[in-house]
Amino acid sequence: GAVVSQHPSWVICKSGTSVKIECRSLDFQATTMFWYRQFPKQSLMLMATSNEGSKATYEQGVEKDKFLINHASLTLSTLTVTSAHPEDSSFYICSAREVDVKTQYFGPGTRLLVL
Amino acid sequence: AQSVTQLDSQVPVFEEAPVELRCNYSSSVSVYLFWYVQYPNQGLQLLLKYLSGSTLVESINGFEAEFNKSQTSFHLRKPSVHISDTAEYFCAVSGGDFNKFYFGSGTKLNVKP
Repeated sequence: GAVVSQHPSWVICKSGTSVKIECRSLDFQATTMFWYRQFPKQSLMLMATSNEGSKATYEQGVEKDKFLINHASLTLSTLTVTSAHPEDSSFYICSAREVDVKTQYFGPGTRLLVL
Repeated sequence: AQSVTQLDSQVPVFEEAPVELRCNYSSSVSVYLFWYVQYPNQGLQLLLKYLSGSTLVESINGFEAEFNKSQTSFHLRKPSVHISDTAEYFCAVSGGDFNKFYFGSGTKLNVKP
């Protein structure tokens, strides 16, 4: 149980285009979903937290207009990187938690390469 | 504020040897502690967690960690490692709402034959 999937697993795009990454909880209802970014050889950095049906809460320093997050249902959250640039290249990982469950379950990650 | 320190960025060890990955945290509130493992190009998998009760927690693949409140530590140990344990291990701390996870910088465990 507690499986989180991400799609796509990797994506290459041209600079200036937008990329959408999906995060799904497969066997539970995720009241809260999280988006992290991981740079090479570094730890995870929380970008934003989203609750179903509400606007996402962004961490300090994260551009909300660049990283659009939508948590449309209890099983799906999307992260759209708008007008991507090479510096947005990174490994993006989502996680999800169910109400009253004391942990987060992580997706397999999406590697984004912007050329 | 909460923070996590993993003192060792890399730990090389021979197969079947014991290993300890160190994790120290700082927090002004009650904490819940986690160890996650990340294999190359994959997301994080929960290895074990301490929420309450016994301070020694175990995983299904032989790892264990002990919550030491006085030393603010949650070190991960395994008495005999396998090649397949080669991965990066992250220690994390959360407060009571479990919506904020603070991760350490990670420790790469490299098990050599």
